Amino acid sequence: DPKIIQKPKYLVAVTGSEKILICEQYLGHNAMYWYRQSAKKPLEFMFSYSYQKLMDNQTASSRFQPQSSKKNHLDLQITALKPDDSATYFCASSQDWGAGAETLYFGSGTRLTVL
Amino acid sequence: AQSVDQPDAHVTLSEGASLELRCSYSYSAAPYLFWYVQYPGQSLQFLLKYITGDTVVKGTKGFEAEFRKSNSSFNLKKSPAHWSDSAKYFCALEGTQGGSAKLIFGEGTKLTVSS
Repeated sequence: DPKIIQKPKYLVAVTGSEKILICEQYLGHNAMYWYRQSAKKPLEFMFSYSYQKLMDNQTASSRFQPQSSKKNHLDLQITALKPDDSATYFCASSQDWGAGAETLYFGSGTRLTVL
Repeated sequence: AQSVDQPDAHVTLSEGASLELRCSYSYSAAPYLFWYVQYPGQSLQFLLKYITGDTVVKGTKGFEAEFRKSNSSFNLKKSPAHWSDSAKYFCALEGTQGGSAKLIFGEGTKLTVSS
């Protein structure tokens, strides 16, 4: 059974619209993350959360807003969507944050296409 | 600047051969280094990591990697390779100065092992 659930698996949106990507982890971890993989680019770090608190933000645009309603949830709201936002968005978690060299566990990703 | 280079986008070999996937990095100090694997249709899975100490680290599924500070490399090895090792392999770096789990990934190497 998958321990990190991302929904939906595929998402198609029109330019200018808003979408929410869902992530839930059932590993009992205290830290969660978002990574993005665009076409022809490596996976890149976006956000890290620890105990529902934002620890790191590597995303320049405020159009990307993580939302954590529970410790095991970290959704990603994206507003004013652009074609350049098309990518696969991966949620990940780790036992803790801050010690360094944490092992990340990844979800299967949400593939977003913006037309 | 921190970066990871996986120079081989594709590697093909026969079952039973030895595999070595190359990874080089750029970082001003000794980083934490990781290998992750993505099997077709699945999410990224942790294979192994280097933190400090022994330069050869052993991971899951019979893989090992050698950290070489002299040429800033962290190559992944396995012998013999099995057809089930066919997957995409990602090398990643985490800086040891600030920002937990903010991994920098390489582009990945797609490995095909023919039976």
